[in-house]
Amino acid sequence: EAGVTQFPSHSVIEKGQTVTLRCDPISGHDNLYWYRRVMGKEIKFLLHFVKESKQDESGMPNNRFLAERTGGTYSTLKVQPAELEDSGVYFCASSQDGRQETQYFGPGTRLLVL
Amino acid sequence: DQQVKQNSPSLSVQEGRISILNCDYTNSMFDYFLWYKKYPAEGPTFLISISSIKDKNEDGRFTVFLNKSAKHLSLHIVPSQPGDSAVYFCADISGSARQLTFGSGTQLTVLP
Repeated sequence: EAGVTQFPSHSVIEKGQTVTLRCDPISGHDNLYWYRRVMGKEIKFLLHFVKESKQDESGMPNNRFLAERTGGTYSTLKVQPAELEDSGVYFCASSQDGRQETQYFGPGTRLLVL
Repeated sequence: DQQVKQNSPSLSVQEGRISILNCDYTNSMFDYFLWYKKYPAEGPTFLISISSIKDKNEDGRFTVFLNKSAKHLSLHIVPSQPGDSAVYFCADISGSARQLTFGSGTQLTVLP
């Protein structure tokens, strides 16, 4: 069974540019989460989808971040315009409905904003 | 809101000895605590969990202990192996989204 995949693995952009991160969850997992780790600190929750619906986006830092999950399959996280403090590792995780205590993480996208 | 703290950023132990990783929390209301292991350039991998109604959970070389009166949990790895070298995160699962609240992690190095 394929795990959670994320694309790209690395992205280096300039301040003010736009970047879109993609996450493909494990097939059949309705729950999809985005997390971020900045400067080696805690991994922090950004938002949660159940299928195509946003259930909780309380962790999104500001309106420069937009997440979508078209058709309840893969998800994208767009940062527009990117700022220096957006640099970090963005993780995606998925879980089965009813097994939300076990979230499976992707390898992350390392974003560097210069 | 739950806060999860791992006060030791790093720990080194000899192969074959016991590794003890610690975690403190602030909110007594929780369902589960989980431990995740993370290798460089990879995402966190679920290791073991403990529910709020238990004080111990064991899985092979890994045992998690929960001390609710002290709001403290610990992960014991015995015997430690070089392949256990990684960053270990404790995390609480909470909220309507069942999101994870992570500690800052402890880098474990097992010396051969």
